[in-house]
Amino acid sequence: AQSVSQHNHHVILSEAASLELGCNYSYGGTVNLFWYVQYPGQHLQLLLKYFSGDPLVKGIKGFEAEFIKSKFSFNLRKPSVQWSDTAEYFCAVNANNFNKFYFGSGTKLNVKP
Amino acid sequence: DAGVTQSPTHLIKTRGQQVTLRCSPKSGHDTVSWYQQALGQGPQFIFQYYEEEERQRGNFPDRFSGHQFPNYSSELNVNALLLGDSALYLCASSLLRSDTQYFGPGTRLTVL
Repeated sequence: AQSVSQHNHHVILSEAASLELGCNYSYGGTVNLFWYVQYPGQHLQLLLKYFSGDPLVKGIKGFEAEFIKSKFSFNLRKPSVQWSDTAEYFCAVNANNFNKFYFGSGTKLNVKP
Repeated sequence: DAGVTQSPTHLIKTRGQQVTLRCSPKSGHDTVSWYQQALGQGPQFIFQYYEEEERQRGNFPDRFSGHQFPNYSSELNVNALLLGDSALYLCASSLLRSDTQYFGPGTRLTVL
């Protein structure tokens, strides 16, 4: 069975600090990788996705993620966070089909102004 | 263009009761997936419907069942509710074989 691990459950940063959220998955085949964000009071929104090609993908709001196949990782990064980035971030994986997602347990990011 | 909508927003039930949750997909989408998100956890896949049939199922008991209507809207039914069924239930819609799912706001179910 596939699984997704997010190592940081709660991260607190000051504005302008750099962000890196870890995500590791367990699956030996070809995977599609996603990061979703859930802002307070809002529903899950797609931040970025990786299917193939350049392992460094860029998403909305200045976020990027790097797929490292040898490490089964898909870490999310942002050079300089803003207070408005306060949210919960979920890494997700699917394989063999496009519609059955496996989610990590999420990382709550709190950015202090 | 309306996104994914779910009803009701909140629901309180007692153990042993049955519940029905509803989802209307984003306009133009034909596939609906349901997820359970327990407190402090990520969403867990329950099942997916396409062309009014269950296409895939996660590791959930038969107490969880669903239906998709000709207009692509969907229902999630849970029988014989347990305390552990308390969670946020998310609906996501997409086009079949699409790479992106759009999530609704969820229904918060509390089982007492």
